[in-house]
Amino acid sequence: EVQLVESGGALVQTGGSLRLSCAASGFTLNTYWMHWVRQVPGKGLEWVSLVNTDGSSTYYADSVKGRVTISRDNTKNTLFLQMNSLRPEDTAVYYCARVGALYCGRTSCYSRWIDAWGQGTPVTVSS
Amino acid sequence: QSVLTQPPSVSAAPGQKVIISCSGSSCNVAINYVSWYRQVPGTAPKLLIYDNNKRPSGTPDRLSGSKSDTSASLAITGLQTGDEADYYCATWDSCLSVWVFGGGTTLTVL
Repeated sequence: EVQLVESGGALVQTGGSLRLSCAASGFTLNTYWMHWVRQVPGKGLEWVSLVNTDGSSTYYADSVKGRVTISRDNTKNTLFLQMNSLRPEDTAVYYCARVGALYCGRTSCYSRWIDAWGQGTPVTVSS
Repeated sequence: QSVLTQPPSVSAAPGQKVIISCSGSSCNVAINYVSWYRQVPGTAPKLLIYDNNKRPSGTPDRLSGSKSDTSASLAITGLQTGDEADYYCATWDSCLSVWVFGGGTTLTVL
């Protein structure tokens, strides 16, 4: 059974840092691209970041670019999200999610759909 | 303001049909695959439709997806109270090189 389990969410002050982890089981992480998606309670889903299988290509939402780094340790089947210079607007539940399949053109690939989600880890940034 | 536009809410009676729209642009919906997700508040989203109109195992055939030009739609027929949830469309935006979600639509079965 595919499982994604996030951890690392916490209450942190504005300007602080946090490292989220996502432990994958039931599949081999190194064959899948992975997303981080967040959701402010009561609001919609907001995409945060995407990483390819070996971590060499990363993508970020403008709202987090320069403050957040996605990475992975395939030997430990774990995905990470390092968040720095945290702001109150970063308060949300953070989900890791698996890319179901890719579309690859001549020069790049992109995510076609998300087929598995973790249960989420809450991050609260206090001002 | 989401790149993909969905109506905030839709409603219909049990047994009726509802269509949730997802409006995008030539950078995203028009040229890339659209997927749909269902989320019951307090739980993680779940894939309903992928590649515009394909159903993964577990998605009933009462649900169908379609796409035309810069718009996509999710249709649900034979509405049940258990269909009440938030629904999101999503796709890749090739101009911005980002994954984008619609703002979400809350379905109420009256």
